[in-house]
Amino acid sequence: GEDVEQSLFLSVREGDSSVINCTYTDSSSTYLYWYKQEPGAGLQLLTYIFSNMDMKQDQRLTVLLNKKDKHLSLRIADTQTGDSAIYFCADTLSGYSTLTFGKGTMLLVSP
Amino acid sequence: DGGITQSPKYLFRKEGQNVTLSCEQNLNHDAMYWYRQDPGQGLRLIYYSQIVNDFQKGDIAEGYSVSREKKESFPLTVTSAQKNPTAFYLCASSTKGANSPLHFGNGTRLTVT
Repeated sequence: GEDVEQSLFLSVREGDSSVINCTYTDSSSTYLYWYKQEPGAGLQLLTYIFSNMDMKQDQRLTVLLNKKDKHLSLRIADTQTGDSAIYFCADTLSGYSTLTFGKGTMLLVSP
Repeated sequence: DGGITQSPKYLFRKEGQNVTLSCEQNLNHDAMYWYRQDPGQGLRLIYYSQIVNDFQKGDIAEGYSVSREKKESFPLTVTSAQKNPTAFYLCASSTKGANSPLHFGNGTRLTVT
C-alpha cells in the first residue's frame, strides 16, 4: 500500500525559514495535503497541491512538489513561535476517497 | 459556524466496558471518518462512511464499531475487544468524491484503565 514518510522533528529559531519534507511511494497520488496540529487539538488543513503543479504559494507558505522523486516540501517563511506544532503530510490516490498520512513532523520554534 | 463537534473531550473507562464517542457535523458533508492517533504513529483509519447507512472498515477496524443512521452523525463504539483502546480519536468529514480535503474535529482522548 501507499507509504508516506516524514522526518520526525525540526527545530528552528524565530524569524528563520522552516522546511518540512515528505516522501511518498505511489506515483498515482493526485492531491497532496499539509495539515497542522496544535497540542490537544484536531488537524487543520493548511494547504494542498494538485499533482500537476510544481509549486503553490499561500502567504508565508510555499509548497514544492517533485513528482519524479515523489518528494513534497512545506516552507514556512519568517517562522513564529505560534507555528510550533505537528505538521502532517497526506496524499490521496486516484479513485480513492481516503487519505494516507505521514507520522508527522514536530516543529519547535524557539525565540 | 459550521464545523465538527466531538464529545466529550476527555473520557475515562474501566477495562472491559464498551464506550461510545460522539461525532456530529453541520457542514452537510456526505463522508465521515474516524482516525486513531498514537504518539509517534501518525493517524490510522478505523472506519469511514461515504453515505448514510453505509460504512467501510479502515486499516484498524478490529475492536471498533460504527453506525451512520443520520448524515450529521457518525458515532464510534470502542468495544471491550479492542486490546489497546487508550488513544486520541479524531473524527473528520469531507464532501463526496475523491480528493476532497478532510475537516477535523478537536478529538476525544480516551483513557482505559
